[in-house]
Amino acid sequence: GAVVSQHPSRVICKSGTSVKIECRSLDFQATTMFWYRQFPKQSLMLMATSNEGSKATYEQGVEKDKFLINHASLTLSTLTVTSAHPEDSSFYICSVWDRDADTQYFGPGTRLTVL
Amino acid sequence: AQSVSQHNHHVILSEAASLELGCNYSYGGTVNLFWYVQYPGQHLQLLLKYFSGDPLVKGIKGFEAEFIKSKFSFNLRKPSVQWSDTAEYFCAVKRPTQGGKLIFGQGTELSVKP
Repeated sequence: GAVVSQHPSRVICKSGTSVKIECRSLDFQATTMFWYRQFPKQSLMLMATSNEGSKATYEQGVEKDKFLINHASLTLSTLTVTSAHPEDSSFYICSVWDRDADTQYFGPGTRLTVL
Repeated sequence: AQSVSQHNHHVILSEAASLELGCNYSYGGTVNLFWYVQYPGQHLQLLLKYFSGDPLVKGIKGFEAEFIKSKFSFNLRKPSVQWSDTAEYFCAVKRPTQGGKLIFGQGTELSVKP
C-alpha cells in the first residue's frame, strides 16, 4: 500500500496561534486525501476530503475557516488549524485514497496540544 | 445516518486464546467493509477488506473476517492470538457511491497477556 508521512508528529502551540500539519504521499500520486481527528480512546472522525487542485469538502459541523485544507500537489495536503484553542487539541490523521484498490492508507498522525 | 458499531470496547485475552471482535453497520445497501489495526504508537494498517465474493475474507497476520449480510455484520476472528496482537482494532464501512469516505466504528482495544 501507499506510504504516508505526516509532519510534525507532535506540536505544542499557544492559544490563538495557527498550526500547519503536512501530509505527504511518498510513493503514490493521491488525487484524494482525507483528514481525520481522533480523540483519546475514541474513533476516527472524518473532518474533510481533500481534492488535488480543488476545494476541500468538509463534513457537517467542521468549520472550514478554522481548519484550512490545501491540496496543491498529488503528494502533499496541508491542514492549518487557525486561531487554535485548547479544545482543538487532538490527534490529527491523514490518509490517501488509492482509487484502484478502493482503499485508504493512513499517516502516523500528528498530536496537537494547544496551551 | 449510517453508523458502525463495535460491541466490545476492551477485550483482554491470554495468548493462544481465540478472538472474535464484533462489528455491525446500519446501512442497508451495498457496502465495502474494512478492518484496520493500530499498534501502540503506530499508524493504522489495513488488516483485510471485503468488497464482494466469498464472504469469508482472509487478511494478514492470520486474521479473517466473515461478512454476514443478513446480520449486517463483519466480525473479525483469529484462532490463536499472540502478545504482539495487542492493539486497537477498527471496523470501517464505505458506501461505493460516496467515493473513498470511510465511517469508522468506535474501536476495540485488545490486550493479550503473555
